[in-house]
Amino acid sequence: GAGVSQSPSNKVTEKGKDVELRCDPISGHTALYWYRQSLGQGLEFLIYFQGNSAPDKSGLPSDRFSAERTGGSVSTLTIQRTQQEDSAVYLCASSPGTRSSYEQYFGPGTRLTVT
Amino acid sequence: AQSVAQPEDQVNVAEGNPLTVKCTYSVSGNPYLFWYVQYPNRGLQFLLKYITGDNLVKGSYGFEAEFNKSQTSFHLKKPSALVSDSALYFCAVSILGGNKLTFGTGTQLKVEL
Repeated sequence: GAGVSQSPSNKVTEKGKDVELRCDPISGHTALYWYRQSLGQGLEFLIYFQGNSAPDKSGLPSDRFSAERTGGSVSTLTIQRTQQEDSAVYLCASSPGTRSSYEQYFGPGTRLTVT
Repeated sequence: AQSVAQPEDQVNVAEGNPLTVKCTYSVSGNPYLFWYVQYPNRGLQFLLKYITGDNLVKGSYGFEAEFNKSQTSFHLKKPSALVSDSALYFCAVSILGGNKLTFGTGTQLKVEL
C-alpha cells in the first residue's frame, strides 16, 4: 500500500516568510509524528498526534512552529517568520499505534532551505 | 529523560564479513528500542524493534539485534555484510509504546569489496 507522503519535497524560502509543510500518513494510522533532521542537531522530535488526544508539542523549538492534524489524517506543519537555522529536512512519520506495532513509518521528507 | 549513544560515527567492514553497529541507551523504565536505516536522500526505513520477549530480535534484510538489559545495549548485527548495506543507521528509543522516538547520532556503515 501507499506509504507516508510529504509535500513539497523541496522548499526554498526567504528569511521572514511563512511556510507550510504537508504530511499524508498511511491510511488507518492513528499516530502521526514530525521530526527534523539537520547536520548540527541530528534527528529531533517536534510534535506527536495520537487520535483525538491533545498533541505532545514538547519538541517544538519556538512559538514560530505549529502543527495541526485535520480529521485525524493529514497534518500541516507551519513555520512562521522563518530563520536560517530552520533550514533542515522535516520528516513526518505515522504509526498504527497498536500494542503490537509501535514502529513508525517515515515519509521521504521536505528539505527546507531558508535564504 | 531518555538518550541514545552511538559511539562510532563510521564503521567499515569487508563484504562477507560480520558487522556490528553499537548502540547504548538510557531511559527511566522499560525501553522500546528500534533500528532504522537511511539511504542517501531518502527517509528512514524501519529495520527491527525490541518491545519485550526474546533478547535477540530479527528484522529486515538479514539484520538482527541483541537487547542486553544489564549493559543497556541494543547492538545491530548481520552475519555477512553486503555492499548494498552501506547506509546511515540510527538507533532509537522510546519509553512508552507509540511515544516519541529519541535517536542516536547515527553510524555510517561502509561495506567494501
